Amino acid sequence: NAGVTQTPKFRVLKTGQSMTLLCAQDMNHEYMYWYRQDPGMGLRLIHYSVGEGTTAKGEVPDGYNVSRLKKQNFLLGLESAAPSQTSVYFCASSYWRRNTSTDTQYFGPGTRLTVL
Amino acid sequence: KNEVEQSPQNLTAQEGEFITINCSYSVGISALHWLQQHPGGGIVSLFMLSSGKKKHGRLIATINIQEKHSSLHITASHPRDSAVYICAVRGYNTDKLIFGTGTRLQVFP
Repeated sequence: NAGVTQTPKFRVLKTGQSMTLLCAQDMNHEYMYWYRQDPGMGLRLIHYSVGEGTTAKGEVPDGYNVSRLKKQNFLLGLESAAPSQTSVYFCASSYWRRNTSTDTQYFGPGTRLTVL
Repeated sequence: KNEVEQSPQNLTAQEGEFITINCSYSVGISALHWLQQHPGGGIVSLFMLSSGKKKHGRLIATINIQEKHSSLHITASHPRDSAVYICAVRGYNTDKLIFGTGTRLQVFP
């Protein structure tokens, strides 16, 4: 199993350019998440999905869009990149069941994005 | 005030020392996670706790639900333990985790 993979690993954009980050998982997890990690701050949730075809906003959703057309893939889009979006982006998937002790988290290797 | 607070923010130790990292939270939770992130690396799950204590090798994690507090202990620390340790909690019936800002540990030989 590959676990959680992210594409690309690094990217440099100019202000106003667009791009899509791809997250893929092969564990049949329902839940998938996109986070950003900035120096001195904890992981902040951008958007998440609780199943194929569903998406929801997280803590910092502005400037980002997501799609979950297939269960195994979760795409994060930047329509018009801004320097404030320079960050490391992590995707995660999880297997979680309410009212049980089952709660596992798997993270991708991260994508380092620089917006000039 | 953050819902998840970690202390200390930074920690240095000599190889072999016993390490304790603390996590306090202010919400009711169904689970608490300890994660490890090596410099420039990805994030790995170490433990998931809903009660009591878990041990894996030299790592021990404990949680006190009544006091809303968890600790991560590293026995006989080693330079390869140098990493950022992150505490995260899942509130009751929520799809999301709340993360602490992490504790940066450096272990010197």
